[in-house]
Amino acid sequence: KAGVTQTPRYLIKTRGQQVTLSCSPISGHRSVSWYQQTPGQGLQFLFEYFSETQRNKGNFPGRFSGRQFSNSRSEMNVSTLELGDSALYLCASRVAESYNEQFFGPGTRLTVL
Amino acid sequence: AQSVTQLDSQVPVFEEAPVELRCNYSSSVSVYLFWYVQYPNQGLQLLLKYLSGSTLVKGINGFEAEFNKSQTSFHLRKPSVHISDTAEYFCAVSEVRSSASKIIFGSGTRLSIRP
Repeated sequence: KAGVTQTPRYLIKTRGQQVTLSCSPISGHRSVSWYQQTPGQGLQFLFEYFSETQRNKGNFPGRFSGRQFSNSRSEMNVSTLELGDSALYLCASRVAESYNEQFFGPGTRLTVL
Repeated sequence: AQSVTQLDSQVPVFEEAPVELRCNYSSSVSVYLFWYVQYPNQGLQLLLKYLSGSTLVKGINGFEAEFNKSQTSFHLRKPSVHISDTAEYFCAVSEVRSSASKIIFGSGTRLSIRP
């Protein structure tokens, strides 16, 4: 079974631009969560989508948003990029709400110049 | 709210020596406990998890961890490390309730193995 895939793997943007990251969960997984990893703040939860609905949200500004499609694929969008948004963005999927084991993708490395 | 403290940011160990990576957590509700490993330029891989039952949990790659409720600890151990164990290790918790998805991670422990 294929794992969680994220595209693109690397991305360079400039301040003020917006970016969209994509995540395809493991087949059969209906939940997708997003995390931001930075050297300073570590791993922080962004949000989770389940059956196309945002079920949980971390402490990030409204510039960070996401959505999930009917095939469970998810996208994350960051608008008006700031230098501090440079990070590794990780996506994780799980089978269902009641089972907490999450499987992580390789991440998208975003650099904001 | 939950929090996770990994007491050592870096742990250098000689190859074939035993290692223990320490983790303490704080929570007012019941939690699940996890250890993840991250190799360079890769995502996170689950090493092991404690959901309930036996407090000694065995995971992949010869790692094990012991859940100690009274000390709120979940230390990771391996009796003999290999060069390939060089990576960053994250302890994590999440709430035991059906819709909980948010994982709270510790700051990570970088394990470096010396030949």
